[in-house]
Amino acid sequence: AQSVTQLDSQVPVFEEAPVELRCNYSSSVSVYLFWYVQYPNQGLQLLLKYLSGSTLVKGINGFEAEFNKSQTSFHLRKPSVHISDTAEYFCAVSTVKVGGTSYGKLTFGQGTILTVHP
Amino acid sequence: SQTIHQWPATLVQPVGSPLSLECTVEGTSNPNLYWYRQAAGRGLQLLFYSVGIGQISSEVPQNLSASRPQDRQFILSSKKLLLSDSGFYLCAWSGLAGGPYNEQFFGPGTRLTVL
Repeated sequence: AQSVTQLDSQVPVFEEAPVELRCNYSSSVSVYLFWYVQYPNQGLQLLLKYLSGSTLVKGINGFEAEFNKSQTSFHLRKPSVHISDTAEYFCAVSTVKVGGTSYGKLTFGQGTILTVHP
Repeated sequence: SQTIHQWPATLVQPVGSPLSLECTVEGTSNPNLYWYRQAAGRGLQLLFYSVGIGQISSEVPQNLSASRPQDRQFILSSKKLLLSDSGFYLCAWSGLAGGPYNEQFFGPGTRLTVL
């Protein structure tokens, strides 16, 4: 079974500062990785995903993430945050089942609340 | 384009009362459907998923059940609510074939408070 650990439950930063939200995963098979954002009282929206190829993935709203297989990490970064980036961020993993499909099931981390202060 | 609806948006129910939350998807056929729950400080927990009409898989034992009476309709139910059923319930869908890399699209959620 796979698992996802988001190392920080809360990250406070000032506006225009850089930010990194950390995510580590555990899996015995190949994985696909995702970052979702959730604004208060709303559903989740996909920020970016890693399927294969380049390990640096760019997403919406200026976010990017880097897949590091040796460290089993998929950290999310933004060079300069805005007040509007205040939200909860979820890292998720989906595994490739050998000889079958996994029906798109995702395992989520516990979430990181990013608060951007003026 | 595809859209996903959930209702009601908010619900306050007494302990022991029944529950029915509905989710519908438009603009796609034969989606995989998912019910998640978010409890305060506990992340997202997958409750049920369905790959077709009448096909329901439960991820965790609990007081809830799910049904899929139509291709794009997914219902979450309970006969008797518990205090621990309070939370934010999210419905999601993913595309045909449900490949492991398919993005899941989430509905707006239902906030359930059990008193």
